[in-house]
Amino acid sequence: GDSVTQMEGPVTLSEEAFLTINCTYTATGYPSLFWYVQYPGEGLQLLLKATKADDKGSNKGFEATYRKETTSFHLEKGSVQVSDSAVYFCALSDRGGTYKYIFGTGTRLKVLA
Amino acid sequence: GAVVSQHPSRVICKSGTSVKIECRSLDFQATTMFWYRQFPKQSLMLMATSNEGSKATYEQGVEKDKFLINHASLTLSTLTVTSAHPEDSSFYICSVTFTDTQYFGPGTRLTVL
Repeated sequence: GDSVTQMEGPVTLSEEAFLTINCTYTATGYPSLFWYVQYPGEGLQLLLKATKADDKGSNKGFEATYRKETTSFHLEKGSVQVSDSAVYFCALSDRGGTYKYIFGTGTRLKVLA
Repeated sequence: GAVVSQHPSRVICKSGTSVKIECRSLDFQATTMFWYRQFPKQSLMLMATSNEGSKATYEQGVEKDKFLINHASLTLSTLTVTSAHPEDSSFYICSVTFTDTQYFGPGTRLTVL
């Protein structure tokens, strides 16, 4: 079945460092791909999405490109801030009509001042 | 993106009582909503799909008689945890679907004493 694999955390970076959080997927069809962010004690916020191969999603300095050939959707940011400290989830959407998501396990990011 | 509210944000109850959690879609009508459960430092576990005007579809292993879901209108779904026990303590999150994107509520922290 479909699956999403995220890199293990926690990831600890200094402020202004470059961030990459790896996400790879397996899917039988052509899913939509998403990154969500969760701050402590809150629900998930949509960070960015991509619906087809070679699409690039971007928001708040974060970017991810839908790579069909490597089945990847890695999240990147050029210069992280302390306020980016959170848990990041990669997800794919089943396009079979159920709209269910398959989530990765989440990657905790801690940015130090 | 869509705005989703949940009420209450926190609830503490005694073992054996029932607790109702509301999920509201504030800016569009949602025929499909999802209910998730999240344990500390873990990913989201899909409990059920809430369908407006019909019975909810539960994931394998989720007791439908314990977690009652009612989706009586296009903007409201409720999750009732019946005869709650301490092991039901968790963070419950709902989401609404717009096209293939899910928008999440802020979550409800349930503590059963």
